[in-house]
Amino acid sequence: DTAVSQTPKYLVTQMGNDKSIKCEQNLGHDTMYWYKQDSKKFLKIMFSYNNKELIINETVPNRFSPKSPDKAHLNLHINSLELGDSAVYFCASSQGGGVGHQPQHFGDGTRLSIL
Amino acid sequence: GQQVMQIPQYQHVQEGEDFTTYCNSSTTLSNIQWYKQRPGGHPVFLIQLVKSGEVKKQKRLTFQFGEAKKNSSLHITATQTTDVGTYFCAGQETSGSRLTFGEGTQLTVNP
Repeated sequence: DTAVSQTPKYLVTQMGNDKSIKCEQNLGHDTMYWYKQDSKKFLKIMFSYNNKELIINETVPNRFSPKSPDKAHLNLHINSLELGDSAVYFCASSQGGGVGHQPQHFGDGTRLSIL
Repeated sequence: GQQVMQIPQYQHVQEGEDFTTYCNSSTTLSNIQWYKQRPGGHPVFLIQLVKSGEVKKQKRLTFQFGEAKKNSSLHITATQTTDVGTYFCAGQETSGSRLTFGEGTQLTVNP
C-alpha cells in the first residue's frame, strides 16, 4: 500500500490553465506538506497543514491555493499557470505537527510541465 | 530566518572511493535529518541525529552531528553505483519549528 500518494504523476498543460494536484496519506499522520523541487533539485517548502489548519505559508504566489478537506488529504490548486511553475511538486506527511523529531514521508511527486 | 547550507552541490566519484557531504546551519539545531533521493524518485528518510557530537552508522554510511549542533556530515565508505542520488540534510531549530532542507549534494558514481 502506498503511504503518500499523489495524482497525477505527470501533468503537461498550457500556460494560463488552472490545474489541481491531489495528495492522500494513509499513515495516520496529522501534518501534511507541499514542496516544490526545481531543476537544480532545491526542495522548497510551500505549505504545511496540521489537522486541516494552515501552519506554514511560504512566500508563494497567491495563484497557489492549498486545501485540506481532512487530515489525510492535502490538495494543491494552481491558477493561471506560468512557465516558471514547471517543477516537481512533492507532497509529504509527518506525525506531530512539527513538534518533536518526526521524519517526513514523501509521495512520488507530480512532474508539472508548462508549454 | 534559518538557513541550512550543504556542500558540495555536486560530487563525482569512482566506484570504491569515499564520499562526504557537509551541512551547516546558521543557527543551533535541535535535530538534523538526512534524506536520499534517487534519480527520478522522491526523498526518503535515512536517519535523524539529536544529541551533540552524535555519530550513527548504517552499513557504509556514517552520520555525525557537530558538538555545537550547527553542522553535520554524511560519509559513505567505498561508494557503490547504488549510492547514486541526491543527499539532503534537513534541520529543525526547535522541536516545534519547521524542517529546513539544505540544497542537497548530487552524487554520481562511475563504475
